[in-house]
Order: sequence, then structure tokens, then C-alpha cells
Amino acid sequence: DAGVTQSPTHLIKTRGQQVTLRCSPKSGHDTVSWYQQALGQGPQFIFQYYEEEERQRGNFPDRFSGHQFPNYSSELNVNALLLGDSALYLCASSSGQGTFYYEQYFGPGTRLTVT
Amino acid sequence: RKEVEQDPGPFNVPEGATVAFNCTYSNSASQSFFWYRQDCRKEPKLLMSVYSSGNEDGRFTAQLNRASQYISLLIRDSKLSDSATYLCAVTLYSGGGADGLTFGKGTHLIIQP
Repeated sequence: DAGVTQSPTHLIKTRGQQVTLRCSPKSGHDTVSWYQQALGQGPQFIFQYYEEEERQRGNFPDRFSGHQFPNYSSELNVNALLLGDSALYLCASSSGQGTFYYEQYFGPGTRLTVT
Repeated sequence: RKEVEQDPGPFNVPEGATVAFNCTYSNSASQSFFWYRQDCRKEPKLLMSVYSSGNEDGRFTAQLNRASQYISLLIRDSKLSDSATYLCAVTLYSGGGADGLTFGKGTHLIIQP
């Protein structure tokens, strides 16, 4: 049973460029959440997708956008990259909308470096 | 006040000892609570969900104190392999599903031989 997968594993971009990160959820999961983790910090919630729609959004600017596909996989897009966007980007999948204890499982992450 | 607070440590603990750390949360409407373990430069791995009645999984025990708004994690008979950062996470439940997780910064645990 494949877990959550993410691609690419590492990425180096220049300020002002755009980046797309990809995530495939664990088999049987229908909800994907994205997080940004800076060095020495806990993950910060960016947004969550369910039924191909953004269900909830954290405190991130509109430069961060996403998409969920019919097969539940998801993309995170970041436009006009800033140096401060350098971080580990984590995707987490879960299932059971309507389930009270709703456990999220993380992929290995994409390490983005902006120069 | 931060939403979720943890003592960053590091906690330096001899192998075989018992160690406990707490995590406080500010939003009294929080409904689900979790402990994750994160190794250096890896993704967080779910260690335990924290239930109202408390729960135990082998050497690990988690407790929830709603009145004082904290959760705790107790590790007994600590192993070298327990060295990691322990993240607590809380979430609300709205609109038919749980919201995004709010994490603390993590507590760094070092088990010494």
C-alpha cells in the first residue's frame, strides 16, 4: 500500500519564478492538505482540498494556489517566489470527512530553495 | 499568545529513563489532538492521536487536560531511537470535516547512552 508521495524531492528556483509541487495521497484518502515548514519551526497550514475544491485556507498570500484532481492528487503552485519561500513543503492526506478523529499522514516533502 | 506552545528543549535524557513533555493550546474550541515525531530533515510521522480518556501505545502515553488546555506525552524506558523532535498538533472540526492542523514548534529530545 503506497503512502503519500511527493515530487520533486528537491528544487532550486530564482526569486520571481514560479514553482509547481505535486502530491499523490495515500490509497483510500480523499483529502489533501499542504503545509510549509521553515527550519526550526513546526509545519504551517497553507490550504486543504476536498472534492476538488479548496475547503480551508491558512494565513498565506494569494501567490500560493492549488488544485485537486479527480484522482485526489494535488498540486501546490507558488508564484513570484521570494527568498522567504525557501522551506520544506509537506503534503498530508486523510480520509473520512465527517470522521471526528481525522488523522493526517505526511509525504516526504519537497525541499524548495529560492536564490 | 501563540496558538500551540511547546518547550523547544533540548531535553537530554539517559537511556532507560522516563521523560514527559507538555503542549498547551489557546483555542478552547480545539477538538482533535495529535503527537507527531519528526526526525532531522524528514517528514512528521503520526505517533498518537490523543483521546479525551487518554491513551497508551506501548511505552508511550498521551493525556488530554481540557480544563487547563494542554496535552502531554510520556515516554517510558526511553531508547536511543526515541531521539527526535516531537510535534503536537491540534485542530478544529467544522463543515463536516477537520480543519488544517495547527502545530507547535516541537520539543527536541536527545536520548543519551
